[in-house]
Amino acid sequence: DAKTTQPPSMDCAEGRAANLPCNHSTISGNEYVYWYRQIHSQGPQYIIHGLKNNETNEMASLIITEDRKSSTLILPHATLRDTAVYYCTPMGYGGATNKLIFGTGTLLAVQP
Amino acid sequence: DAGVTQSPTHLIKTRGQHVTLRCSPISGHKSVSWYQQVLGQGPQFIFQYYEKEERGRGNFPDRFSARQFPNYSSELNVNALLLGDSALYLCASSLVPRTGANEQYFGPGTRLTVT
Repeated sequence: DAKTTQPPSMDCAEGRAANLPCNHSTISGNEYVYWYRQIHSQGPQYIIHGLKNNETNEMASLIITEDRKSSTLILPHATLRDTAVYYCTPMGYGGATNKLIFGTGTLLAVQP
Repeated sequence: DAGVTQSPTHLIKTRGQHVTLRCSPISGHKSVSWYQQVLGQGPQFIFQYYEKEERGRGNFPDRFSARQFPNYSSELNVNALLLGDSALYLCASSLVPRTGANEQYFGPGTRLTVT
């Protein structure tokens, strides 16, 4: 299973962009990078995923390096409600099981 | 549309007892996965079911079992509870596994406390 490394915590000022990095140097060619966040004691919330190309949706943007060994989740205008633990997790396709592998994530604290 | 629902919300059990947790997936989703989240850690994969068949199992003892019903809802059973089983148990549903667009949507979880 691919391993991920994320900083344990980050701060961001409200209204500014939050850039959350993730290292996944052992990711396989058939594994997507998924991002989830978890607000205290709730179920994780899906944010975005990508394989090779950069992706954007209404919540965030995902930048994946060309070698696919790392990625950055960008919240363009962070609000207090974005305070949460953010997880990057690889997940393959085409195999028998699609399981998400969570590390300890990054606690993003958005400051007023 | 309703999201993933789980019951009960909270549960307190005694060591050695048995527990059953329930999950209803999003309408149209045929795959259900179960995760265990111990305080301070990320969720850990327990099982995945698709079309009522087990498609994957994480590194958990045989005390943990699950099944999926014809309506795609699922149960997680844990026998002979240990103190270490105290955790948030999460259920996630997805459309069809083994495809590129396979985002899993999580329910609110069941908080199990074993005393």
